[in-house]
Amino acid sequence: QQQVKQSPQSLIVQKGGIPIINCAYENTAFDYFPWYQQFPGKGPALLIAIRPDVSEKKEGRFTISFNKSAKQFSLHIMDSQPGDSATYFCAASIEGGGNKLTFGTGTQLKVEL
Amino acid sequence: DTGVSQNPRHKITKRGQNVTFRCDPISEHNRLYWYRQTLGQGPEFLTYFQNEAQLEKSRLLSDRFSAERPKGSFSTLEIQRTEQGDSAMYLCASSLGGGFTEAFFGQGTRLTVV
Repeated sequence: QQQVKQSPQSLIVQKGGIPIINCAYENTAFDYFPWYQQFPGKGPALLIAIRPDVSEKKEGRFTISFNKSAKQFSLHIMDSQPGDSATYFCAASIEGGGNKLTFGTGTQLKVEL
Repeated sequence: DTGVSQNPRHKITKRGQNVTFRCDPISEHNRLYWYRQTLGQGPEFLTYFQNEAQLEKSRLLSDRFSAERPKGSFSTLEIQRTEQGDSAMYLCASSLGGGFTEAFFGQGTRLTVV
């Protein structure tokens, strides 16, 4: 059972554009929602994370929007750059559940010049 | 380099053989996780340790899989009688304590079963 659904599967934007990646979850016990960035041949690296008590969090060019009632959250990348081309994964975990992560299926982002 | 280290980076094995992977976490991290990632998918949780205790195993972890963390430092993941379906990237991650703490991932071990 896939507990975190992610879309789109792939995304191409022009440099400076604002790609948006969406995720939806089913388990209302989730209380930590990180986004990971993965480059080919590398392990995932934490980009930004949010807890359900806030609706938005911004770090640099990356913003998470969170809608608790809809059980959805999204990642926005402002002023995207070719170096942002990577695979992005949303994830969710439960603080009391050992912090093991349930990942979405990933979005392959390409930022073109 | 003080990040999470995994060895080997790549492993090709014949079906039916046993393989073992090693993970060295960030030194002060007491939690260690194993995940499996297949092409085009997100990582899937396999198991995790707090110090030397294995606290949870996923249903994905069949009896052919075993993981250890004997002294609460490095960990090994062994797959016995490998099958082609075991071909995947095996990722290790570590974190400090519980709660909302960042999990740092290694670069993974890519297993190919032929």
